[in-house]
Amino acid sequence: DIVMTQSPDSLAVSLGDRATISCKSSQSLLQSSNNKIFLAWYQKKTGQPPKLLIYWASTRESGVPDRFSGSGSGTDFTLTISSLQAEDVAVYYCHQYYNGPFTFGPGTRVDI
Amino acid sequence: QVQLVQSGAEVKNPGSSVTVSCKASGDSLRMYSIVWVRQAPGQGLEWMGGIIPIFGTSHYAKKFQGRVTVTADESTNTAYMEVNRLRFDDTAMYYCARGTLNWLPDNWGQGTLVTVSS
Repeated sequence: DIVMTQSPDSLAVSLGDRATISCKSSQSLLQSSNNKIFLAWYQKKTGQPPKLLIYWASTRESGVPDRFSGSGSGTDFTLTISSLQAEDVAVYYCHQYYNGPFTFGPGTRVDI
Repeated sequence: QVQLVQSGAEVKNPGSSVTVSCKASGDSLRMYSIVWVRQAPGQGLEWMGGIIPIFGTSHYAKKFQGRVTVTADESTNTAYMEVNRLRFDDTAMYYCARGTLNWLPDNWGQGTLVTVSS
């Protein structure tokens, strides 16, 4: 199975500042036949289901604010929140959908 | 936009089974993947298993193989997840999600709390 790791476990960011979360996969998530990276990012708030933010490593889901961005290639990925807002307090998970069984990272808690 | 409505909270004894349903409205489940993810208290998201009804393809996380079964009833547009031989550490919120044929979950149910208690 593909193992996903994230760092840091948690971080505290001031309102308006940048938050950066890293995710690593134990094998490449790049499908060479179509050059797509099978990596997504989800936001999870208490009492709510997960919300898809980013897929194909860098494509923002419809309706997601443009302060959220994803980057990376192969096995190393980054989620950036460019200017943290109060409503961004949550736990963020990376998720590989490249090879079943599919797996999530352990999560990164973002606080103010 | 599809809406996924899950069945209500359950309290079960250790060793018993539970089935959680996930009914879709507004669109079909047939041409999509359906996955099940759980979150135990204070823990992260855990991918359990999934199915693509039109292909009959399924995947299960190793730790759940043989104990968890995911099915879909196209006639009622409802997905099901059965967990057998329940243990205390199966206490969690269970989510269904509809996803793409690439297995990307993008529409989620509201969650079903399953509590295993004697």
